[in-house]
Amino acid sequence: ELKVEQNPLFLSMQEGKNYTIYCNYSTTSDRLYWYRQDPGKSLESLFVLLSNGAVKQEGRLMASLDTKARLSTLHITAAVHDLSATYFCAVSGGSNYKLTFGKGTLLTVNP
Amino acid sequence: EAEVAQSPRYKITEKSQAVAFWCDPISGHATLYWYRQILGQGPELLVQFQDESVVDDSQLPKDRFSAERLKGVDSTLKIQPAELGDSAMYLCASSLGDRFRSASTDTQYFGPGTRLTVL
Repeated sequence: ELKVEQNPLFLSMQEGKNYTIYCNYSTTSDRLYWYRQDPGKSLESLFVLLSNGAVKQEGRLMASLDTKARLSTLHITAAVHDLSATYFCAVSGGSNYKLTFGKGTLLTVNP
Repeated sequence: EAEVAQSPRYKITEKSQAVAFWCDPISGHATLYWYRQILGQGPELLVQFQDESVVDDSQLPKDRFSAERLKGVDSTLKIQPAELGDSAMYLCASSLGDRFRSASTDTQYFGPGTRLTVL
């Protein structure tokens, strides 16, 4: 059974600082997704990572994938308040490419 | 921009009552998913359709939950009878589907969700 672990689960940071969210998964997978969820809202797709060493960047967010270590990171550069949200990683696996989500990281960026 | 539509957005019901949720995926998306998200947790897949066929319902509590996608387009998820523990956000998502499998076509797009409260 595929398991996905994120850490930290809660992250409070100051504007302008950098930080990294980690996503570990338990079995081989061919793709990994990062989603953002604002309170009471649905999930917004941020990145899809396909191969070992893949790196994608959008604004202040950069995601990377190490398939050998079964690890993905979401790096936040110079955080701003608008980045406050819950971030989920999700890993695709199994014959039907089912997505298994982590528990999410609640990010709060303080002025 | 095309979106996944869901209704109702909010539903309050009493336990033992029946509830139903509706989802209309993005046009042309062959794969449709229903997820349940408990507060503070990640979404958990309940059922996955490829066109009108169920391809995964291993986590669907079949004694009280049912899902259908009769014409391979929109879908309905039903709970009967509802229990207190069913209170959650029910999310629908769609993707182009695995016969076109690629990074962009596999990406799941989520609807706004239905917030269910069972009293």
